[in-house]
Order: sequence, then structure tokens, then C-alpha cells
Amino acid sequence: EAQVTQNPRYLITVTGKKLTVTCSQNMNHEYMSWYRQDPGLGLRQIYYSMNVEVTDKGDVPEGYKVSRKEKRNFPLILESPSPNQTSLYFCASSPGVAGGPYEQYFGPGTRLTVT
Amino acid sequence: GQSLEQPSEVTAVEGAIVQINCTYQTSGFYGLSWYQQHDGGAPTFLSYNALDGLEETGRFSSFLSRSDSYGYLLLQELQMKDSASYFCSRGNQGGKLIFGQGTELSVKP
Repeated sequence: EAQVTQNPRYLITVTGKKLTVTCSQNMNHEYMSWYRQDPGLGLRQIYYSMNVEVTDKGDVPEGYKVSRKEKRNFPLILESPSPNQTSLYFCASSPGVAGGPYEQYFGPGTRLTVT
Repeated sequence: GQSLEQPSEVTAVEGAIVQINCTYQTSGFYGLSWYQQHDGGAPTFLSYNALDGLEETGRFSSFLSRSDSYGYLLLQELQMKDSASYFCSRGNQGGKLIFGQGTELSVKP
């Protein structure tokens, strides 16, 4: 089944404890991206990757890191989480880079709480 | 800027037609996508417009006017299951994507 998977789905952690949220897609998509969703603010792009070893900042990259060593994986790293990073996180992938990654396939989401 | 504006809430009755508008700023604009999100779930892709005109996919259609910096999603024959949030999203050259804040659609019996 074609899908984007994220782990963990739920995470409660404490301020300053490094964490990684994994994202994997099995559709051979070139484009991958991370978003956070907060009430009233819609989806905001954190980082995106047009291909392996190519990553760029979205609108809200502060406090996050990403890497794209393999085409299928795009982990999101929070080196020192803070309470303002409590949010619902989505990973997404898209087949199209030329002409714009307009058709995004989203993972199920990771609900992160930082205390 | 590159922001998008869409209404926060829309209410309609079952069987009706509803239009959700999205206006955007033209700087670097490449195309407009629409997504549906049910409460707590993952967004799912509905439609995309890169050129002016109407794109039809079943009960859902999407329209774009680049000269007016405006698009809309049209939902026909509304069903209760269409109650959800709808987001417009713009693509830019370079791969960055920006989403509107979402429109919550409530379909009443």
C-alpha cells in the first residue's frame, strides 16, 4: 500500500530532551516536507527537501533540523524541545518537483507535547 | 508577501452547493492546491490549478483566475461527510509551499 508513515504517533516529553520523529514514504517521491499545525494557524511548513541531500527552510524552521540521506526517509529532529513546539506534526511527500510539488500525500500525524 | 486568505467558517445544508474562496498575493505564485482535512486526520489532496479555468473532479471543482489572484473550491450536492476543514495551498518556484488558515465547513441536515 502506498503510504507515508510517521513514528511515533504520540509523544510527551520534557523541555530540552532531544527527540526525533521519523518519516518514511514508499512511493519513490522526490519531494518531502514537514509541517506543524496549530489551532487557527493552519499548516505551516518547517522544512522541505526537493531530493536526496537537498533541504531548505520553510516558514518556521527555528528549533528544528532535518536530513535527507535516503530518498524514502526524512526525519525531523528537535535538538532541545521547548513548550512552544507542542503541536501536531505532519510529514508529506509529493511525486512532482518540476512544475511544483502540488499533490502532497500526508502521513497520519504526530501529536507532540513538550512539558 | 505570499500569504493566502480564506474564510474561517462556512455553513450549508445537505444537497446544496458551496463555494470556498481563496485569495493570494502574486509574488512568486506557481499554482493553487486544495486539501480536505477531517477532524484530527491527515489532509488529503483534492485538486490543483496551475492555469486559469475550472478543474472538475466528481462533486468537487476548483477554479483559478491568475489575473484576479483568486481561486475557489466548489462543492456540489453536499453530503454530511463533507463537513471538514478545507485548505488552499500555493506553490512557489523553488519548492516552498504555503497554506491558508483553513475554512471549516459545516453541513447541516
